[in-house]
Amino acid sequence: DIQMTQTPASVSASVGDRVTITCRASEGIGSWLAWYQQKPGKAPRLLIYAASSLQSGVPSRFSGSGSGTDFTLTISSLQPEDFAIYYCQQPNSFPITFGQGTRLEIK
Amino acid sequence: EVQLVESGGGLVQPGGSLRLSCAASGFIFRGYFMSWVRQAPGKGLEWLANIKQDGSVRYNVDSVKGRFTISRDNAKNSLYLQMNSLRAEDTAVYYCVRVNEQQLVSFDYWGQGTLVTVSS
Repeated sequence: DIQMTQTPASVSASVGDRVTITCRASEGIGSWLAWYQQKPGKAPRLLIYAASSLQSGVPSRFSGSGSGTDFTLTISSLQPEDFAIYYCQQPNSFPITFGQGTRLEIK
Repeated sequence: EVQLVESGGGLVQPGGSLRLSCAASGFIFRGYFMSWVRQAPGKGLEWLANIKQDGSVRYNVDSVKGRFTISRDNAKNSLYLQMNSLRAEDTAVYYCVRVNEQQLVSFDYWGQGTLVTVSS
């Protein structure tokens, strides 16, 4: 199975800050990576697919990059509604696996 | 508007069975892979199973293989998850998910989830 490791596990930041979350795959997955945002009590929401493609309706302050084993999600200027848990996912091979999540908290 | 509405969750005893349903609307259901994902209380996301458009190919994670079966009825625009031999560790919110093959198999729409609690 492909293991997905996210760092950091949690991060505190302020409105307006730039934040970067990293996801590392245990083996190469090309650009087969997606990022999801989850708020308390809600279903996850797709933000980024194919490592760097922005899902329709997602604000442009979200961006993704990387390929192979190392990927990043960047939020260029944090807004109050961005405080949530973020997950990476590899759909490259079965079983499909998710990272353990990164909690983004208000400083 | 794409909508996925799960139902069928609830309290079940260990060893029992439950069938989850997902009613899909707002898109051509028969044109999409579908998936089930679960989330134990306070934990991360766990993919469970995928099913191809015509139901011919299914994939399962090892932890539920032989106990959970994904199926679909394209005439009813519905996805199902039959869960047998339930264990306490199956307690979770179960999400019905649309899989977008045009976007490198991303999970682009999620239902609101249905809670399954396995306890005596």
